[in-house]
Amino acid sequence: SQQGEEDPQALSIQEGENATMNCSYKTSINNLQWYRQNSGRGLVHLILIRSNEREKHSGRLRVTLDTSKKSSSLLITASRAADTASYFCATEGYYGNNRLAFGKGNQVVVIP
Amino acid sequence: DTEVTQTPKHLVMGMTNKKSLKCEQHMGHRAMYWYKQKAKKPPELMFVYSYEKLSINESVPSRFSPECPNSSLLNLHLHALQPEDSALYLCASSQVRALNEQFFGPGTRLTVL
Repeated sequence: SQQGEEDPQALSIQEGENATMNCSYKTSINNLQWYRQNSGRGLVHLILIRSNEREKHSGRLRVTLDTSKKSSSLLITASRAADTASYFCATEGYYGNNRLAFGKGNQVVVIP
Repeated sequence: DTEVTQTPKHLVMGMTNKKSLKCEQHMGHRAMYWYKQKAKKPPELMFVYSYEKLSINESVPSRFSPECPNSSLLNLHLHALQPEDSALYLCASSQVRALNEQFFGPGTRLTVL
């Protein structure tokens, strides 16, 4: 079942602007992860946030997690043309059985 | 080496053909995965192998047959596929534990005629 379900969005922003995308899920989780996928290619892991964490940073990425609202957001600051990609959130269930449930994905286009 | 490799990159097959997709990793990961991804959709989990044993089969039709010959290799055998099976097939690997990040290969683009 799909646990991670971000609001399906297509974002088009100018280089240098920030991009924010959201993700919601339905059941208890062990962790939530964000992946990036360039067109027709494999996914690249960006960041993982545990269920007991509220915020995490990695370079230009900032992830928040609100377990009371079962939602997460991914912020990319100072976007670059190379950030153009699809972004998926994925949740691992509470018992961590190596099963990731991916959300619908957000298409981000950064205009140079 | 943090790479997952997949061959072939592209595959075109008829509905009566038998073909295989291959995946390899040398990161010492003992969990390996097959996903299917249609255009503009998220990846859908098909199979999970843990310590070379099939641990999850997401009710995948029997025309897809996975095989894990050793801890580095994962195959997906294809037989009598349907045109709707055309998709990007992604392999991934990870540690066998919670809080795992998965490492994905570039995928095999499959077209069934």
